[in-house]
Amino acid sequence: KQEVTQIPAALSVPEGENLVLNCSFTDSAIYNLQWFRQDPGKGLTSLLLIQSSQREQTSGRLNASLDKSSGRSTLYIAASQPGDSATYLCAVRTNYGQNFVFGPGTRLSVLP
Amino acid sequence: EAGVAQSPRYKIIEKRQSVAFWCNPISGHATLYWYQQILGQGPKLLIQFQNNGVVDDSQLPKDRFSAERLKGVDSTLKIQPAKLEDSAVYLCASSPLAGAPDTQYFGPGTRLTVL
Repeated sequence: KQEVTQIPAALSVPEGENLVLNCSFTDSAIYNLQWFRQDPGKGLTSLLLIQSSQREQTSGRLNASLDKSSGRSTLYIAASQPGDSATYLCAVRTNYGQNFVFGPGTRLSVLP
Repeated sequence: EAGVAQSPRYKIIEKRQSVAFWCNPISGHATLYWYQQILGQGPKLLIQFQNNGVVDDSQLPKDRFSAERLKGVDSTLKIQPAKLEDSAVYLCASSPLAGAPDTQYFGPGTRLTVL
């Protein structure tokens, strides 16, 4: 059974800092991995999708990497802004399941 | 295009009462999902519909939860009777392609508090 964890649970940084969010999964037989953003009172928004054959994906100031062998993914946010404050969740889709298993999320606060 | 709509946004009930949530997916989306997100946890899939048929309800507590998707469009999720541990945000999502959950569009959720 796939289990997904995220460290840290919460993070507070000053504006302008570069930061890394971590995601770990127990079963390396994954189909893909997706990073989502969740704002209070709102649903999830997809940020980046990494297929199992890829090592990383980039979108603007965001870069996500995937290391299947070690069961890890990282989300790198460059030059953080207060608008980046949200909860970031990673979700893993396994080869044997159609749907995602979500991690608990990292709550990020970027202070002006 | 309009997003996924959910109502009500908030609901407070006492244990053993019943409650229903409504979801209107993006027009034309074949697949609809209901998730339960307990505070501090990631969303957990409760049920997946493709058109008006159930694809996956393996994690739905069927003794108290039920869901239907009439005419392959709107969907309702019902809890009867509610327990304290049902307090959570219930998220609805839809996907345009059958068998392709990678692109899911989420609604804002319904926050349920069971007292």
